[in-house]
Amino acid sequence: QVKLLQSGAALVKPGDSVKMSCKASGYTFTDYIIHWVKQSHGKSLEWIGYINPYSGGTNYNEKFKSKATLTVDKSSSTAYMEFSRLTSEDSAIYYCARADYYSYYFDYWGQGVMVTVSS
Amino acid sequence: DIQMTQSPASLSASLGETVTIECRASEDIYSNLAWYQQKPGNSPQLLIYDANSLADGVPSRFSGSGSGTQYSLKINSLQSEDVASYFCQQYNNYPPTFGSGTKLEIK
Repeated sequence: QVKLLQSGAALVKPGDSVKMSCKASGYTFTDYIIHWVKQSHGKSLEWIGYINPYSGGTNYNEKFKSKATLTVDKSSSTAYMEFSRLTSEDSAIYYCARADYYSYYFDYWGQGVMVTVSS
Repeated sequence: DIQMTQSPASLSASLGETVTIECRASEDIYSNLAWYQQKPGNSPQLLIYDANSLADGVPSRFSGSGSGTQYSLKINSLQSEDVASYFCQQYNNYPPTFGSGTKLEIK
């Protein structure tokens, strides 16, 4: 069955970077796009961007363009997101999610990575 | 960006009741709308896509409708396992945007 397994929770200091992973299984990795979504505590969801595992092409929400870097390793069916220059506003749960190439709704989600930014 | 206005913010209903959650887009999104259910401590799960298509494995008591800028999610015969937050999402334009969520509780 389709699974997106994300890396564990992270506690980081302000100004640092964090890199999280999303390992896909149960489907052909390059047949779907991987998106990343932020959920601040108790609040709604914000789309960060996506990466096309086949081409490596990316598309970012303007809000996160200088903050997030998306990469992929096809050999291990794993997508990565690095979040830089962290502040307390970046404390949140980050999800990876799968969508097909034509309709950008998300049919499978990872379990989420809780990132806490604190000195 | 397209703004998605979701209402109500919270909702309390009895078991067996029918509830409706509304989502209004700031411009026409041509039925490119999804609904998600998020149970406490879990990631969102797809319920409805293309405004009215039921995702795989979703009970038929969930249904979606609407067009243009106005959309709704209806839950018939409310069950205890339906306690969750519900979010709408438009995917007609980039960036995809979400409603602020509706928290559903049982009376």
